[in-house]
Amino acid sequence: DIQMTQSPSSLSASVGDRVTITCQASQDISNYLNWYQQKPGKAPKLLIYDVSNLQTGVPSRFSGSGSGTDFTFTIYSLQPDDIATYYCQQYDDFFALTFGGGTKVEVK
Amino acid sequence: QVQLVESGGGVVQPGRSLRLSCAASGFTFSSYGMHWVRQAPGKGLEWVAVIWYDGSKGYYADSVKGRFTISRDNSKNTLYLQMNSLSVDDTAVYFCARTYGTRPDYWGQGTLVTVSS
Repeated sequence: DIQMTQSPSSLSASVGDRVTITCQASQDISNYLNWYQQKPGKAPKLLIYDVSNLQTGVPSRFSGSGSGTDFTFTIYSLQPDDIATYYCQQYDDFFALTFGGGTKVEVK
Repeated sequence: QVQLVESGGGVVQPGRSLRLSCAASGFTFSSYGMHWVRQAPGKGLEWVAVIWYDGSKGYYADSVKGRFTISRDNSKNTLYLQMNSLSVDDTAVYFCARTYGTRPDYWGQGTLVTVSS
């Protein structure tokens, strides 16, 4: 089974800062990588799909990149509304999903 | 607009069964694969199961294989998760999610299952 290692597990940044989260797969997953935002008590929200594609309605300050086993999620200018936990997620040929452990983003 | 509404959660004793439902509206339910994903209190997301758009195939996480069954009734626009032999480790919020292509793009608000004696 493919494992997804996400780091850091938490971070604290100031409004306006650039925030970067990484996700490493245990084997090549091509471009089968999505990113989600989850706020407390809410369902996850899809932000980025297939590594770098912005889901409709998602602000352009969110971005994704990478290939193979190493992927990066970036918030270019952190806003107060971005306080949440972020998850990477990969999918296999049968559409089974694996999530990273999550990164909790807080404001300094 | 797309809506997914889970129901059927509650408190159940270890070893007992529970069936969750996910009512879909706002899209052609029979055209989309569907997932169940769970989240234990204070923990991350864990995929549970997926079913293809026509119900012909279903796949499960190892942690629930042989105990849980995913199914759907496209005439009722409803997804199900039959959970048998429940253990305390199954305590979680259970979300249903629609798969658009390769991505779960819409999620329900979740239903809480608590397994406790």
